[in-house]
Amino acid sequence: DAGVIQSPRHEVTEMGQEVTLRCKPISGHNSLFWYRQTMMRGLELLIYFNNNVPIDDSGMPEDRFSAKMPNASFSTLKIQPSEPRDSAVYFCASAFEGHGPYNSPLHFGNGTRLTVT
Amino acid sequence: AQTVTQSQPEMSVQEAETVTLSCTYDTSESDYYLFWYKQPPSRQMILVIRQEAYKQQNATENRFSVNFQKAAKSFSLKISDSQLGDAAMYFCAYRSANNNDMRFGAGTRLTVKP
Repeated sequence: DAGVIQSPRHEVTEMGQEVTLRCKPISGHNSLFWYRQTMMRGLELLIYFNNNVPIDDSGMPEDRFSAKMPNASFSTLKIQPSEPRDSAVYFCASAFEGHGPYNSPLHFGNGTRLTVT
Repeated sequence: AQTVTQSQPEMSVQEAETVTLSCTYDTSESDYYLFWYKQPPSRQMILVIRQEAYKQQNATENRFSVNFQKAAKSFSLKISDSQLGDAAMYFCAYRSANNNDMRFGAGTRLTVKP
């Protein structure tokens, strides 16, 4: 089991540039989550997908942020244009949910550390 | 909305001793799940232990156990025989049975002294 794979591990970019973060969930998992981690705000849920469909994007901070899941094995989080305050660690996580209650633990990737200068 | 509170920003324990990390949560739901995650310096989030709210028995995983007090909305993590490798940030998390997201506390940084 390769686990959740995120790329890149580190990203440094200049303000105003477009940034794309990538995630490959665990094969067979049908839920995917994007979190942002900062010292000030801790772990914040940005958006989650179920069966490739965005279910709740209320955590997405601004229209500059967008997320897609074109298929069950790939998701992207894009920031355009990026700003210094977007600097954080971005985590992708996946889980398998059956027809019952949402009780599965989330499996996290290693995160992408984004620095916007 | 559910909130998760970890009141101890930092904790320290001597190697081989026992330490308890606190977590409380606020919810009006009766069906939910609670988790503890560990985040070492490598940054990866690692599941430590999980508790179903409908179970009265406290979950245990080797040296890790929880004290789940549903009425008090408390979910503490006990680490026995602490090891140097236990040093990490520990996050308490709440997941509603009806809502496909997970909410995290602010975390507790655990230091293990040799």
